[in-house]
This record gives sequence, structure tokens and C-alpha cells, in this order.
Amino acid sequence: DAKTTQPPSMDCAEGRAANLPCNHSTISGNEYVYWYRQIHSQGPQYIIHGLKNNETNEMASLIITEDRKSSTLILPHATLRDTAVYYCIVRSPVQGAQKLVFGQGTRLTINP
Amino acid sequence: GAVVSQHPSWVICKSGTSVKIECRSLDFQATTMFWYRQFPKQSLMLMATSNEGSKATYEQGVEKDKFLINHASLTLSTLTVTSAHPEDSSFYICSAVKTGSGNTIYFGEGSWLTVV
Repeated sequence: DAKTTQPPSMDCAEGRAANLPCNHSTISGNEYVYWYRQIHSQGPQYIIHGLKNNETNEMASLIITEDRKSSTLILPHATLRDTAVYYCIVRSPVQGAQKLVFGQGTRLTINP
Repeated sequence: GAVVSQHPSWVICKSGTSVKIECRSLDFQATTMFWYRQFPKQSLMLMATSNEGSKATYEQGVEKDKFLINHASLTLSTLTVTSAHPEDSSFYICSAVKTGSGNTIYFGEGSWLTVV
């Protein structure tokens, strides 16, 4: 799996958009970008994933650069419950190469 | 989304005993599941890949005879920590691959193991 680079921590004010960056300069053509988050003492929660197009769901938006070497997860209106560690992971969904390898992630703190 | 459930959510056992943790995919079938462990303030560490009907594949440094994995059905994988010791105390998390739409992986709630 390609490695990703994320800032270790970020702060965001409640109600504002939280923009979490991720660099994945060695991503290969068949690898997707996945985002998960882990709230303290819970299992990771799937947020969103994408290959090359921008994606949006009820939780967040994912913006992937045209060269696919970086992406940004956007939480449009952050709440206190969004405080968590966010993990950006690149992974191929092909059978036999599916595992998720976690880095250190970004610890996002939403401030009131 | 998809639901993956673990049981028990926490367990305390005596040193030298074995403890089993179950991981179930509740609303989908999972040919492949993964087991992780996580120590406080650290990231998740992949232990093994569990494949239905075949032997698990362990990551380097993980003792297969100590962490027994059985994936007997398409909805259930179990992790048995044998002859547990205090250093095995950790947060154990399973995940399952939901086929289709990028083969997204969903995680269980995790199981806290404390060995005393």
C-alpha cells in the first residue's frame, strides 16, 4: 500500500468547515483513497472513499487533485462530535491486496 | 453502510487462560475479515487477514499459535488469545470487507481485553 502523510493535529471551530489534507504522492493507478475516523475507544468509522473524482456523501466531501497525489476531506459544518483521529489510507480493492494499513492520522479537535 | 459487531465488548481474564472474541458481519457476507490490535495512544496494527474456509494470513511478528483465527462462515470470524498474559491486554478490533463499490471495509466496535 502507498504511504500517506497527514498533519498530526488540527483544530477547527464548531460550525466551520474542517479541511483535512492528505498527501499520497506514490499512489498507483488502481488504488483508492479511503477516509476513516476513530472516536476515542471505538472502532474506526468509514467516512468516504474515491478513485479520481470528487465524492460527497452525508458525512463529508472528498476532493482529489487531478494528479491524485493529494486529497482533502471536508467536514462542511463541524460539530463537537466530529472530534476524532482521522485516517487517510490508500488501498487497492483487488482481492488479495485489500488490507488497510493505518498511519498515525490527524487528531482533529473541534472547539466550541 | 454496513454493520460489523464484536463480542464481547470488554473482557477480563486471568493470566494463562484463553479468551475468544467474535466478529460478525450482520447485514452482509464477508469472505475476508481483518484483525487489528491497538495500544493506548497508538494507531491500529494489523495482526492478520482472515479468509473464509482457509487459513489466516498473519503479519510479520504476530504469533499464529498464540492468536488463533477461525473464519468458519461468511459472517463470523473468531480470534482466540491463548495463554493470555498481561502484555496481551489491548483493544482488539475486527473489520470485514463488503464486496462491491470499492470493496469497502467496515469495522466492529472493538473489544477491550484486560489480562490480570
